[in-house]
Amino acid sequence: GAVVSQHPSRVICKSGTSVKIECRSLDFQATTMFWYRQFPKKSLMLMATSNEGSKATYEQGVEKDKFLINHASLTLSTLTVTSAHPEDSSFYICSARDLMEQFFGPGTRLTVL
Amino acid sequence: KQEVTQIPAALSVPEGENLVLNCSFTDSAIYNLQWFRQDPGKGLTSLLLIQSSQREQTSGRLNASLDKSSGRSTLYIAASQPGDSATYLCAVSGGAGSYQLTFGKGTKLSVIP
Repeated sequence: GAVVSQHPSRVICKSGTSVKIECRSLDFQATTMFWYRQFPKKSLMLMATSNEGSKATYEQGVEKDKFLINHASLTLSTLTVTSAHPEDSSFYICSARDLMEQFFGPGTRLTVL
Repeated sequence: KQEVTQIPAALSVPEGENLVLNCSFTDSAIYNLQWFRQDPGKGLTSLLLIQSSQREQTSGRLNASLDKSSGRSTLYIAASQPGDSATYLCAVSGGAGSYQLTFGKGTKLSVIP
């Protein structure tokens, strides 16, 4: 199957700093990428849908000014958590769509102290 | 709004047993249904994808069925092994060209040697 990578896999930062997470489709071009957030023992919650070359579509309740998404190329999307706070600590997972299926990255564990 | 429910939330079985995981969804207008596996602290691995026009898919010891009209899917695992221990997630994508996935909370499976 297609491969999606995420970097970093784990990040610890101080409150107030910004953190960038990269999502790459390694062997296919993805016109659409998705960003999810997962809390312990909870479902994956879709945060936003990112289309190459256009603005991301955010789900209700997700602050677009806090979670900046850029999809500058067909193989790369980035999520920047701005002015991170402890409540932003979570597991963030991206996925990329290839024709009929979504392929998921390995996730990024963000801990904000 | 689509809602996905997975029962049971957790399941523990002795090695070698066959088992069934259940998934139900409220809106039958789906594009497809996927079963994923998630190991602790890791991303998602796609196990099986069933298109809305299909009734089942098989891969090795795994068999997934789909009854779209009743909003149900099952994942059957034959001859379970300790390596099958993980959380299994069910997700459906919307119809009419919407590829967004709605996830259940998952079933945590433990296979006891």
